[in-house]
Amino acid sequence: DTGVSQDPRHKITKRGQNVTFRCDPISEHNRLYWYRQTLGQGPEFLTYFQNEAQLEKSRLLSDRFSAERPKGSFSTLEIQRTEQGDSAMYLCASSLFVTGELFFGEGSRLTVL
Amino acid sequence: QKEVEQNSGPLSVPEGAIASLNCTYSDRGSQSFFWYRQYSGKSPELIMFIYSNGDKEDGRFTAQLNKASQYVSLLIRDSQPSDSATYLCAVKADSWGKLQFGAGTQVVVTP
Repeated sequence: DTGVSQDPRHKITKRGQNVTFRCDPISEHNRLYWYRQTLGQGPEFLTYFQNEAQLEKSRLLSDRFSAERPKGSFSTLEIQRTEQGDSAMYLCASSLFVTGELFFGEGSRLTVL
Repeated sequence: QKEVEQNSGPLSVPEGAIASLNCTYSDRGSQSFFWYRQYSGKSPELIMFIYSNGDKEDGRFTAQLNKASQYVSLLIRDSQPSDSATYLCAVKADSWGKLQFGAGTQVVVTP
């Protein structure tokens, strides 16, 4: 399978703990995006990368969130000191062109107790 | 704040009928528009994209774009129970490919 891969698929954590999600994009794609989706809502943009450069970070992302894409390959999204409001599906997507055809991974569902 | 608006539904459609979904957007400069399908508990899957005014057909799906009125629609012909899902409208929000999504319309196809 050469699609976008995310890990872990599910994460349950206690409030205050740190969590990290990993995304492996489609291999030839140079753009990588992180979105967050809560029940009944569409995906909300968090951040995105062109190769290893982080181009934009949404105002939705507090200082507790950090994302990296070393060497322009896989990406990680870390949430420090998790809060119950962080509970959501974290979606990673990648694309090859600027046309906006994003291909999503299966997502990482976070539950903060 | 750029916005993408959709009716949340649910839109109940008899099997074999046409489902019509609408989406409006606030940024008059938007150029690219996308429809994604999302099954419950799954991630969004691209169905169609459209850039030019008019209709674009792909199998049972037709996307319609009217930039002057700032709306884009999706028609699903011969609806099947497997079409039951949430349909997300997305608009390309910048030159780098970032998409802004609506909240989605839930479609329920009844046998």
